[in-house]
Formats: sequence, C-alpha cells, structure tokens
Amino acid sequence: AQKITQTQPGMFVQEKEAVTLDCTYDTSDPSYGLFWYKQPSSGEMIFLIYQGSYDQQNATEGRYSLNFQKARKSANLVISASQLGDSAMYFCAMREGRGRDDKIIFGKGTRLHILP
Amino acid sequence: SAVISQKPSRDICQRGTSLTIQCQVDSQVTMMFWYRQQPGQSLTLIATANQGSEATYESGFVIDKFPISRPNLTFSTLTVSNMSPEDSSIYLCSVGGGEFNQPQHFGDGTRLSIL
Repeated sequence: AQKITQTQPGMFVQEKEAVTLDCTYDTSDPSYGLFWYKQPSSGEMIFLIYQGSYDQQNATEGRYSLNFQKARKSANLVISASQLGDSAMYFCAMREGRGRDDKIIFGKGTRLHILP
Repeated sequence: SAVISQKPSRDICQRGTSLTIQCQVDSQVTMMFWYRQQPGQSLTLIATANQGSEATYESGFVIDKFPISRPNLTFSTLTVSNMSPEDSSIYLCSVGGGEFNQPQHFGDGTRLSIL
C-alpha cells in the first residue's frame, strides 16, 4: 500500500488564484512529520513547508499553508495568489518515527501549471 | 541549511560503463542519502550513506550495482555500475536535518543519460 498518495497528476490554475494540492498519508506511527517540496523544471528539490503530527496549528510559510486534517490523514498544500513561477512538480513526503532512521517517503507528485 | 554540491551536474555515458557521482556538504552531517528519480517519476531512496560503516540499501538496490562511499562527515560518492539505458535518471544526494522536524536538503542532482 502506498504511504503517500497524491491523486492529482496534473493541475492547471489561473494566475493569482489559490490552489490546493492534495496529499493523503498512511501510517500507524503516532509520531510523524509531513513535508512538501517543489521541483522546478531545472530539477532541484526545494523544501516548502513542514507539519508535525503533534502540531496543534496548521503550518504556514508565506504564501504556502498546510491544511492538516489528522483524522482524515490529509495534508493538503495551499498556495495563495499563485504566480507563474509556481509552475513545477510538487511532492508530499512523510517521515515516520523518531529513531535514528531519518529517511522520508515521497508521493508521486502533482505537476502544477499556472496559466497567465 | 547545509549547502550541498553535487558533481557532475549531468553526463552522457555509454552502456556498460560506470560513473561516480560526488556529493560535498559544507558542514558535518550524520545522515546522507542517495535517491534516484526516473523520468517523470517520484524520488526513490537508493541507500543511506553511513560514515564509517557500509551503506544501508533499500529493497531493490544492491551494493554491486550502486556502491557508495562515505569517508567522512562531509562527503559521499555514489557509483552507478555497468550502466544500461534503464539507469537514465536524475540522481540526487540529500542530507538529513538532524532534528525530527527538519527537512532533508538536496543537491541539485545529476542528470544521467545512457546511450
């Protein structure tokens, strides 16, 4: 079973509109972290935002916010006032547990296209 | 966050040859990771590079195909051996954030094409 599910392979959004990228996750560990990364066509991986399983409030970083619904195991990324430069692949990722193992698991990604 | 330099940035290689990718970090880090990203796909973890011990490989990846070195806390190499066209991918190294709530940070990747 997939640990991270991103159901939107691609999205087209008009510039300046808000956009929500979906992410659901599967874990039985009470302690986990959720991350969103952006990958432009140039290929680098850019960290956007983090949400911890014990965090009481939704994470926000500038135009990025995370709609964290723990009971639904959902961690959707919201980008407000989208810009042309937001066109990229977006990956949701999860780290489980608090052991020595720092590895994270990535979803398949959503390709976002911002239209002028 | 750590600055990660990865070399080469891209290469075109003949099948049957090997290529070594280098990853240099500007600070000492405990955990370094190597990922493969096949065309149009997500990132798949190849292995965790441990300083002073053998790398820990994920299911489907073996040391003979992807030997890894980690001679110190700032440097690691990944070799892609006996390459075939199926090895054409982006290979990325990353470093752990240390704390649980810290993200992994990535190098710019190596775009590898096998003819």
